[in-house]
Amino acid sequence: GAGVSQSPRYKVAKRGQDVALRCDPISGHVSLFWYQQALGQGPEFLTYFQNEAQLDKSGLPSDRFFAERPEGSVSTLKIQRTQQEDSAVYLCASSPWTSGGEGATQYFGPGTRLLVL
Amino acid sequence: AQSVTQLDSHVSVSEGTPVLLRCNYSSSYSPSLFWYVQHPNKGLQLLLKYTSAATLVKGINGFEAEFKKSETSFHLTKPSAHMSDAAEYFCVVTPMTSGTYKYIFGTGTRLKVLA
Repeated sequence: GAGVSQSPRYKVAKRGQDVALRCDPISGHVSLFWYQQALGQGPEFLTYFQNEAQLDKSGLPSDRFFAERPEGSVSTLKIQRTQQEDSAVYLCASSPWTSGGEGATQYFGPGTRLLVL
Repeated sequence: AQSVTQLDSHVSVSEGTPVLLRCNYSSSYSPSLFWYVQHPNKGLQLLLKYTSAATLVKGINGFEAEFKKSETSFHLTKPSAHMSDAAEYFCVVTPMTSGTYKYIFGTGTRLKVLA
């Protein structure tokens, strides 16, 4: 079946521009995660949705970052007034589980590579 | 608090020789542990996961890992490296509890396979 998809795959933005990154999770997956992966680093958690509810946004680095999942399916990560330090790969993951437990697994999309000039 | 330490940022092996990628974890709770692989311009792919059912976990492509609670380790091994194994590998920990089960990633180990 179809996996997690993300669009666009690549985005170049001028500093100060707003960007929107889209994630289409696996159909039926209730949990959705966003991660940020800086060059040469491991991914870092940004935010978590269970259906349409944003249950954890503790990883969002500033109030310029905003995420939504209004109908409990597609999610959008928005970055306002982009800065050079926002350049990274943004990964989306989905999961059928609603909590940790025996090997709760997340399924990752290919990521969106954002470059802010 | 939870954390993961991948002890080697780069590992080089010759094709056909064993692979060892080291991972140590710290967790206040019983952890779930995973290894993911990331090929260039590809998404993260699950290699294997530890669920507490068995300490020796077998994954895809001949990889396996052993959970050692006394050593807080979850090292990834493969008996014989293949050229296609060249990639970035991430060790991941998450709590085996309710609530946000966000992944905590290590910094990654880049595996190079020499012909």
